[in-house]
Amino acid sequence: QQQVKQSPQSLIVQKGGISIINCAYENTAFDYFPWYQQFPGKGPALLIAIRPDVSEKKEGRFTISFNKSAKQFSLHIMDSQPGDSATYFCAARGGATNKLIFGTGTLLAVQP
Amino acid sequence: NAGVTQTPKFRILKIGQSMTLQCAQDMNHNYMYWYRQDPGMGLKLIYYSVGAGITDKGEVPNGYNVSRSTTEDFPLRLELAAPSQTSVYFCASSPVTGGFEKLFFGSGTQLSVL
Repeated sequence: QQQVKQSPQSLIVQKGGISIINCAYENTAFDYFPWYQQFPGKGPALLIAIRPDVSEKKEGRFTISFNKSAKQFSLHIMDSQPGDSATYFCAARGGATNKLIFGTGTLLAVQP
Repeated sequence: NAGVTQTPKFRILKIGQSMTLQCAQDMNHNYMYWYRQDPGMGLKLIYYSVGAGITDKGEVPNGYNVSRSTTEDFPLRLELAAPSQTSVYFCASSPVTGGFEKLFFGSGTQLSVL
């Protein structure tokens, strides 16, 4: 119940295309859903986050879509650029432990 | 602005040795965390602290110890290192009193236990 399942494990997108990464959860007590971006050799950095009272949040080319009934949320990267090539982690906070649980990560490669 | 600083960046330990991973933040954050990252496994919480003098276990605390004597520092101690502790360790801090929001991560310590 405390797991966050992330897919795909890796993704290759052409420059200018849309990158989509999906996450699913079981625990309906989760109350905060962030996405982190990690470049090689660096620590993760918060990219964008959403709470379950809204269905979508957009910041620049990055959008989170949230489906509360399906217990799923996804990250969409519009007009993907080679500089977006990184590992992306979804996460969820809350439940009995009220801690942040991370997905297993998606390695995104944007080809020029 | 240094943010979260971790030292060392790399370390090789022999089985049974001990070491301390250092972490310091200069943002006056209350919350600090230690995560480990293994390939294909995401980040797992080892320990966290909500303020000086207060620490609590995360998902994978066995084999580790922490202390929080100041707001700025949150060292992670490995006692009797084992090969299973080979990983990349990240320290993080966050400013929000609710905790586990807007984490700022350090650049990590890559540890190998041989």
